[in-house]
Amino acid sequence: QVQLQESGPGLLKPSETLSLTCNVSGYSIRSGFYWGWIRQTPGKGLEWLGSIWHSGSTYYRPSLVGRVNIGFHMSTNHFFLELKSVTAADTAVYYCARGLCLGTADCYKDLFDTWGQGALVTVSS
Amino acid sequence: EIVMTQSPATQSVSPGEAATLSCRASQSVSSKLAWYQQKPGQAPRLLIYDASSRATGIPARFSGSGSGTEFTLTISGLQSEDFGIYYCQQYNNWLGTFGQGTKVEIK
Repeated sequence: QVQLQESGPGLLKPSETLSLTCNVSGYSIRSGFYWGWIRQTPGKGLEWLGSIWHSGSTYYRPSLVGRVNIGFHMSTNHFFLELKSVTAADTAVYYCARGLCLGTADCYKDLFDTWGQGALVTVSS
Repeated sequence: EIVMTQSPATQSVSPGEAATLSCRASQSVSSKLAWYQQKPGQAPRLLIYDASSRATGIPARFSGSGSGTEFTLTISGLQSEDFGIYYCQQYNNWLGTFGQGTKVEIK
């Protein structure tokens, strides 16, 4: 059974870089699927931030291009999220998740069937 | 960006009754529509994809319908564990977007 778990600092100051790691167990993330990040705020609700295909191709929310980076940690079964120059508006619960695949060729970068429990990140001076 | 609008914001339902939740897209999303359930302190759980296909392990009392811009999630015979917030999401457009949610509460 695939399980995902987010980890990282819970408190940041404005202008710092948010860095979160998603530890995946039960499946090798370089073998298949999209792996994505979603955040949730009371104001904007659920927002897809970006995803990485198992081969390494990345896809980002257009409004975050230039500020966001998603990648794999080498030699581990982890993938990460980096978000530069954070502001209070980036305060949210951040989830990592696995994209749904229907068969081998029908996989989605922003439709998720398995989620981590979420990590609260607060941006405050 | 496609805007997803859910109604009602809150639905009060007695256990055993049915709940009908609506989701409208600002433009056609074909059948690329999913429903999630979220309980306090938990991540969303995928219930329905492709408008009407149940995800793995989802009970048959959850059913989805619709296409284009109008979609419905029906929960037949509500059980205590079904109370929570339900979100729709379109994934037809390059940028997948979520609705603001409908809270299903105990009447």
